[in-house]
Amino acid sequence: KNQVEQSPQSLIILEGKNCTLQCNYTVSPFSNLRWYKQDTGRGPVSLTIMTFSENTKSNGRYTATLDADTKQSSLHITASQLSDSASYICVVSARTNAGKSTFGDGTTLTVKP
Amino acid sequence: SAVISQKPSRDICQRGTSLTIQCQVDSQVTMMFWYRQQPGQSLTLIATANQGSEATYESGFVIDKFPISRPNLTFSTLTVSNMSPEDSSIYLCSVANSLLNTEAFFGQGTRLTVV
Repeated sequence: KNQVEQSPQSLIILEGKNCTLQCNYTVSPFSNLRWYKQDTGRGPVSLTIMTFSENTKSNGRYTATLDADTKQSSLHITASQLSDSASYICVVSARTNAGKSTFGDGTTLTVKP
Repeated sequence: SAVISQKPSRDICQRGTSLTIQCQVDSQVTMMFWYRQQPGQSLTLIATANQGSEATYESGFVIDKFPISRPNLTFSTLTVSNMSPEDSSIYLCSVANSLLNTEAFFGQGTRLTVV
C-alpha cells in the first residue's frame, strides 16, 4: 500500500530560525514528490517538485531534498517569517495508478515573533 | 501553470439540500480531480473527473452522493447531494496536465458548512 508519512505533526519556532520537515514514503514505482504549503482555509500551493534524478530543489527560502534510495525527503525553511505559518504537505505520485497522488497528513508550522 | 477559479468560496447550507461547486481552469488540462479535506486532516481524493464520461470514484464515494460533470477540458462541477453535517469540509478542485501528474494545481477550495 502506498503511504506517505510526515514528521513532526506540528512545530513551533521563533521568527528568523530555520527548520526542517521530514517526509518518508513507500510509493512505488516513484514518479515525483511535491511539497505544498497550505494556509488555513485556502487551497495548497506548490513549493517544489522533484523527480527521481533530482536531489535538491530550491524555491526562495524553501529547499527540498530527495533521497530516492531511502525514500525520504525533507523541506528546509531558512530564516522563517510569520507568513510561513501554515500546513506543509508532502505528496508523492507513482508512475502508474492513473496519475493519482498519495498525500501525507502534513506538518503544521507555527512561527512566533 | 494553471489558474483555477473555484466557486463558491464558501457556503452555509441546510441539511437535506444540495450544493454544486464549479471549477474553471484558464487552459485545457488532461486531468481534473475533486478532493475533500475535513477539519484538521489531509486531502482525500473523491473522484477523477473524466471529460465526456462518468467520473471515476474512490472507495467510499458514490455517484449518487457526489455527482460530477466534466463537459470539456476546462470545466467541472461537483455536487454534494442531500447534505448532512458530516459533509462539512473544504472541497478542492485539482488539475494536472499529464497522465504522470508531474505538476498539480489546486483551486482555493470551497468551505462548506452544513447546519
